[in-house]
Amino acid sequence: AQSVTQLDSHVSVSEGTPVLLRCNYSSSYSPSLFWYVQHPNKGLQLLLKYTSAATLVKGINGFEAEFKKSETSFHLTKPSAHMSDAAEYFCVVSAPNTGNQFYFGTGTSLTVIP
Amino acid sequence: NAGVTQTPKFQVLKTGQSMTLQCAQDMNHEYMSWYRQDPGMGLRLIHYSVGAGITDQGEVPNGYNVSRSTTEDFPLRLLSAAPSQTSVYFCASSYSGSIYYEQYFGPGTRLTVT
Repeated sequence: AQSVTQLDSHVSVSEGTPVLLRCNYSSSYSPSLFWYVQHPNKGLQLLLKYTSAATLVKGINGFEAEFKKSETSFHLTKPSAHMSDAAEYFCVVSAPNTGNQFYFGTGTSLTVIP
Repeated sequence: NAGVTQTPKFQVLKTGQSMTLQCAQDMNHEYMSWYRQDPGMGLRLIHYSVGAGITDQGEVPNGYNVSRSTTEDFPLRLLSAAPSQTSVYFCASSYSGSIYYEQYFGPGTRLTVT
């Protein structure tokens, strides 16, 4: 079975400092992994995805994530937080043995302090 | 392209009423899906479709029906609304059901059942 654990429900950072949002996954097969962002009262926007190519994935708005199979992790990072990064972030896993369905983590709310 | 569109944006129903949430996409995507988002639970899959005429259940299908007569449209029907169906509903589409393709999300429908 597939599952995703987002280790922090809330993260606060100061503007200009690094962002780290943690995600661990469980999958019996080689998965694809995604990070989505949801701004208040909006839909979900794809930040980046890992689909078995390069393990370091770069996304939009300066975000990147590294797939670490040995640690079953896919943490999201950004070197310098901006006020506009304040949002809810979801880690998502998809794998072939479950009809390629998306399994969402419970989300991490990022607050950026000016 | 409009992408994925959903109507209505907001809806209030009384217990026992029925209604249909509309979803349309103009990207010629094969795969479409419906999720519900509840606080602290991420998004959970209700139903999905891998092409016109083909639908299947997700994680939380009870109380909902779907059909897919065209590639573009994927309506979600609530048969007899219950307060437990108060949620935000998102429709999504993808090029195919492969794990390598991201899903594109609509703006959501906020449903309240009293």
